[in-house]
Amino acid sequence: ETGVTQSPTHLIKTRGQQVTLRCSSQSGHNTVSWYQQALGQGPQFIFQYYREEENGRGNFPPRFSGLQFPNYSSELNVNALELDDSALYLCASSSNGPYEQYFGPGTRLTVT
Amino acid sequence: QKEVEQDPGPLSVPEGAIVSLNCTYSNSAFQYFMWYRQYSRKGPELLMYTYSSGNKEDGRFTAQVDKSSKYISLFIRDSQPSDSATYLCAMKDTNAGKSTFGDGTTLTVKP
Repeated sequence: ETGVTQSPTHLIKTRGQQVTLRCSSQSGHNTVSWYQQALGQGPQFIFQYYREEENGRGNFPPRFSGLQFPNYSSELNVNALELDDSALYLCASSSNGPYEQYFGPGTRLTVT
Repeated sequence: QKEVEQDPGPLSVPEGAIVSLNCTYSNSAFQYFMWYRQYSRKGPELLMYTYSSGNKEDGRFTAQVDKSSKYISLFIRDSQPSDSATYLCAMKDTNAGKSTFGDGTTLTVKP
């Protein structure tokens, strides 16, 4: 059984650019959540996908968008990058149950 | 004001000490409570979870929830240097959906 994987590990982008981050969920998990973790803070919920449909969204602007694919892998897209978007982006997969949420190692995005 | 407030730390203790980590919250709808451990440059790892009020013990770790006070705690007995990490509390109001996290407490256990 493989865990949650994310790519790339690190990314440096310029303000105004667009970025796509990828997540492969744990085998058997049909739900993927994305979180943003700024330095020194806890993860902040961006949105969740369940069976390819957005199933909840946090307080993030529309330039944060996502996709989930039939194999339950997922993408996070961020348009018009801002300096404050610099953070660790975490993907978590789950299936049934409120506690079963497994996080990937994250993608560290730096916007200059 | 944040929905979840966590004692900021950092916390530094000698090996073998008892550690207490605490969070308060304002949303009375929260009923699922979790503690995550996050090592540097890694994703959070689920450590303990409890439903509603009460205590739960797992080895050296004990999680407590007091819903009347909107207060949760994680106790670590006989702390080890390998326990050095950032500890995050998290809460949910429904079975599915988002977890709301505290900002974490960084713990260092010195040999």
